[in-house]
Amino acid sequence: NAGVMQNPRHLVRRRGQEARLRCSPVKGHSHVYWYRQLPEEGLKFMVYLQKENIIDESGMPKERFSAEFPKEGPSILRIQQVVRGDSAAYFCASSRAGPKATNEKLFFGSGTQLSVL
Amino acid sequence: ELKVEQNPLFLSMQEGKNYTIYCNYSTTSDRLYWYRQDPGKSLESLFVLLSNGAVKQEGRLMASLDTKARLSTLHITAAVHDLSATYFCAVVLLGTDKLIFGTGTRLQVFP
Repeated sequence: NAGVMQNPRHLVRRRGQEARLRCSPVKGHSHVYWYRQLPEEGLKFMVYLQKENIIDESGMPKERFSAEFPKEGPSILRIQQVVRGDSAAYFCASSRAGPKATNEKLFFGSGTQLSVL
Repeated sequence: ELKVEQNPLFLSMQEGKNYTIYCNYSTTSDRLYWYRQDPGKSLESLFVLLSNGAVKQEGRLMASLDTKARLSTLHITAAVHDLSATYFCAVVLLGTDKLIFGTGTRLQVFP
């Protein structure tokens, strides 16, 4: 009964490179969320996706960042031309139904720590 | 804009003592969550609170919600070292799918 799986756990990139972060939700979950956490801070919402659809991307920068959740395979958060300010822990979470559903819990992955040199 | 504030930000307490962490939020919401995070690890869901006056307890932790005051508390009873972690409250922004997190309370329990 695997939980939310994220990989890689640690990712080092040089400025200008691309970062691809992967998230496999809990089996049977069709709702995926990406959050970013800076040191000593709480998690900041980035994007909410259902299978093949972006539902809410209001927390994601319009430039360089994109996310997808294809019909088959993991959700991908892609950061192009990374800059030092992108260094953070990126967490993925999944749920069976959306957060408006009563009592619904989010299950979080272990995160990907992105370091930009 | 929904803001979620926790206090204290850091809490160092002795084993066996009691303490309360507070979570205030700025606009109406219909659910509040408490999470625990160990260093370098994922977030573990502790409680989901859905209604005014809701109280939930698990072991030495008890969470309550006052929607009129827009306040939730996480009470720790007779703390033990294993409770050392960072605790986050998070509130769903009404009418959206966004979970807005507080800044967290880092709890350290010492002998």
